[in-house]
Formats: sequence, structure tokens, C-alpha cells
Amino acid sequence: QQPVQSPQAVILREGEDAVINCSSSKALYSVHWYRQKHGEAPVFLMILLKGGEQKGHEKISASFNEKKQQSSLYLTASQLSYSGTYFCGTPETLKAAGNKLTFGGGTRVLVKP
Amino acid sequence: DAGVIQSPRHEVTEMGQEVTLRCKPISGHDYLFWYRQTMMRGLELLIYFNNNVPIDDSGMPEDRFSAKMPNASFSTLKIQPSEPRDSAVYFCASKSQGFGNTIYFGEGSWLTVV
Repeated sequence: QQPVQSPQAVILREGEDAVINCSSSKALYSVHWYRQKHGEAPVFLMILLKGGEQKGHEKISASFNEKKQQSSLYLTASQLSYSGTYFCGTPETLKAAGNKLTFGGGTRVLVKP
Repeated sequence: DAGVIQSPRHEVTEMGQEVTLRCKPISGHDYLFWYRQTMMRGLELLIYFNNNVPIDDSGMPEDRFSAKMPNASFSTLKIQPSEPRDSAVYFCASKSQGFGNTIYFGEGSWLTVV
């Protein structure tokens, strides 16, 4: 069962912040975040392995709440280059953890000047 | 280092024809994945290999789809016969062994079946 992402889409002005959520009805063993620009491959941003873990990539950061079975991606002071579709990927089982990822439906982000 | 290499990048074919997509994973990676992306269904895992052996093909939609990995540096995804509903972007991806390692995607093969 795929993780659920929200919102489905968000429009920002340059410099504004946004939060993208990824939640699962099943236990989350790890969360992988990707960004895909139109016509290109998904590009890896970061991976969170432990509950409570937080990471950052440029001004993009993420947190992982194992108990709530969710992860959040934070776009801070957004730049035009942040536009794209963001996906979270999670393993379906602990056995598959780190191997077989199931992806959420994606969140489309458009940053305007 | 070279990333995951896929070919062809774009393919337009007629319904009923055979389609073969090719992939060269990142050298040293133990796992190879084939994903399909469409607007309706998003990113779907079709099949994945570990050390050239198919591990899970539960995502392969029908018998018309088949995948092989004859060696560590090459894999194919074949559709025979192709149908218009197979039109999608097919991504090959690879990763190395380890819980903390992630998947790296190729540029994708854009397939249109008319």
C-alpha cells in the first residue's frame, strides 16, 4: 500500500515556506525523499532511517515521526529551482527495508518569482 | 561516475509490436529495479533483481511483460505485444546493498504505443 502525500499541489512565491507530508497506514521503517523535474528522472534528496531523525539538503529539510507513521519535508525560503514534484518512498516491510520502495502519489510544487 | 543508463530515451511504436527497453545499472550496485510512471498510477514498481536474480515481479502487469538480467551490467524489459495502455515512462534504477542506501534512477525511456 502506497504512502499518502499531502497536499497534492502547492504554489509558492519565491522566499515562502511550504510543508509536504507523507503518511502511512503501516509502520514506517525508513523514508526516502525525491524531487522530479518535468521530463527528468527522480533525484534523491535525503533518507531518514530513525524515528525523530531530521536531515537537511540546501534549505530543504525533513523529519521522521515513527510513532505517527509520517514524515514531513520542509521547503524553507523557497527558490525557483525548488519547483518540481516531490515523492516520498517507503519500504513495505522490514524485510524489504532499503530495497523495495513504494512511492506516494507526489506533491507538485511551483515556485513563482 | 556514470549513472544508470537507459535506452532508448524515446520510442514510438505501433500496437502489437515488440518493445525492448535496456538498462545498465551503476557499477557495483547489487539491486536493479524497473519502475513505470503514468499520470494515473504514479510510480509503480514492476520488478526488481538482486545479484541478477528476479526477487519480486508482482508488479509486472501481464504476461506480455518480461524482464531479464543476464549479467550484473545489463537488464532488459520487454513488452510483447505492446498496447496503447502501455504508454508510459519506464525507469530503471539501481542501488547497492545496505539498509541506508537509496535508489538511483536512470533518465527513463518514454514509450508511446499508437
